[in-house]
Amino acid sequence: GAVVSQHPSWVICKSGTSVKIECRSLDFQATTMFWYRQFPKQSLMLMATSNEGSKATYEQGVEKDKFLINHASLTLSTLTVTSAHPEDSSFYICSAGSRGVLSPLHFGNGTRLTVT
Amino acid sequence: GQQLNQSPQSMFIQEGEDVSMNCTSSSIFNTWLWYKQDPGEGPVLLIALYKAGELTSNGRLTAQFGITRKDSFLNISASIPSDVGIYFCACANTGNQFYFGTGTSLTVIP
Repeated sequence: GAVVSQHPSWVICKSGTSVKIECRSLDFQATTMFWYRQFPKQSLMLMATSNEGSKATYEQGVEKDKFLINHASLTLSTLTVTSAHPEDSSFYICSAGSRGVLSPLHFGNGTRLTVT
Repeated sequence: GQQLNQSPQSMFIQEGEDVSMNCTSSSIFNTWLWYKQDPGEGPVLLIALYKAGELTSNGRLTAQFGITRKDSFLNISASIPSDVGIYFCACANTGNQFYFGTGTSLTVIP
């Protein structure tokens, strides 16, 4: 089945630094990738939708200058948390889908970000 | 945004028992999916439903797409300890933009 790889699995960084998270589709071309944030024991909250070769679409309340998304190829999207603060600590998950027929989303294994 | 309500919020059951959970929406959707998430990992797709009234099985799991297109249920038969996790429903119409339910946490007691 479709495989989505996310890296790193977990990261600890100091407040004020930036962190980049990668999401790769390993065996299919992902024209659209989605980034979610999940707090403990809560559902997934969609942060932004990225389409290959164009700017990401951010959900209301998500700061685009803080959460930079790049989708430069059909197999790679990156999320950069800039000037991270402790309140940015969370579980970030990416998912990928293909163009055309509505296909199920396949998720990466998530990245646990801890900002100290 | 879209509101998807899942119930129950959590369940504690004995190993071997059957489980049923459901998901309802305020809007009509053309696709319903069920995912399972283990702690510290991303959700894994269990069942995808594309047609109103459709009943689909995957091993011990059975899910149905409600005829009104506003609800779906997931049943797990003869539960085992590895069924523990959080189950999410998700639905969409077009553009691969999925909305997720609030989740059902399942605990199976050996």
